[in-house]
Amino acid sequence: GAVVSQHPSRVICKSGTSVKIECRSLDFQATTMFWYRQFPKQSLMLMATSNEGSKATYEQGVEKDKFLINHASLTLSTLTVTSAHPEDSSFYICSARARQGSYEQYFGPGTRLTVT
Amino acid sequence: DAKTTQPPSMDCAEGRAANLPCNHSTISGNEYVYWYRQIHSQGPQYIIHGLKNNETNEMASLIITEDRKSSTLILPHATLRDTAVYYCIVRAPYSGAGSYQLTFGKGTKLSVIP
Repeated sequence: GAVVSQHPSRVICKSGTSVKIECRSLDFQATTMFWYRQFPKQSLMLMATSNEGSKATYEQGVEKDKFLINHASLTLSTLTVTSAHPEDSSFYICSARARQGSYEQYFGPGTRLTVT
Repeated sequence: DAKTTQPPSMDCAEGRAANLPCNHSTISGNEYVYWYRQIHSQGPQYIIHGLKNNETNEMASLIITEDRKSSTLILPHATLRDTAVYYCIVRAPYSGAGSYQLTFGKGTKLSVIP
């Protein structure tokens, strides 16, 4: 149980275009989902926290108009990178916390974004 | 949440026990110690967590010192598939919106050697 999927696993896009990444909790309902970004050889950095049905809370320095987060259901959150630039190339990872019970966050496998 | 300190890297021979230390000298009384690992190009994987007592599950054992200022994650029989970055994270219990966040440090890169 507690499986989180991400789609796509890899994406290459041209500079100036937008890319949407999906995060799904497959066998549980996730009240809260988190989006992280990880640059090469660095640790995960939290970008934003999203709660189902409400606006996401962004960490300091993360542009909310550039990284659009939607958490419309208890099993799906999306991150849209708008007007992508090469410096947005990174590994994007989501995690989900179950609606009830424990603190544990279950992580998705990550999405490798490359902007050319 | 309290800050943690881990060695940047460690090697372990395949089949031997891997002991990964973590210092968390500023830990508060209600903060838990969590361990996650991240295999290259994958999302982090939960391993184990504890408050005061030592804990064991099918993946690992967690030994927390009596003063709770440090802990050790033990992988009893390391395999090549255990090669990963291991993160020790200290966090408080849920106390409202936002407190489920995990703050990742740099972790320890464990290399299991054949």
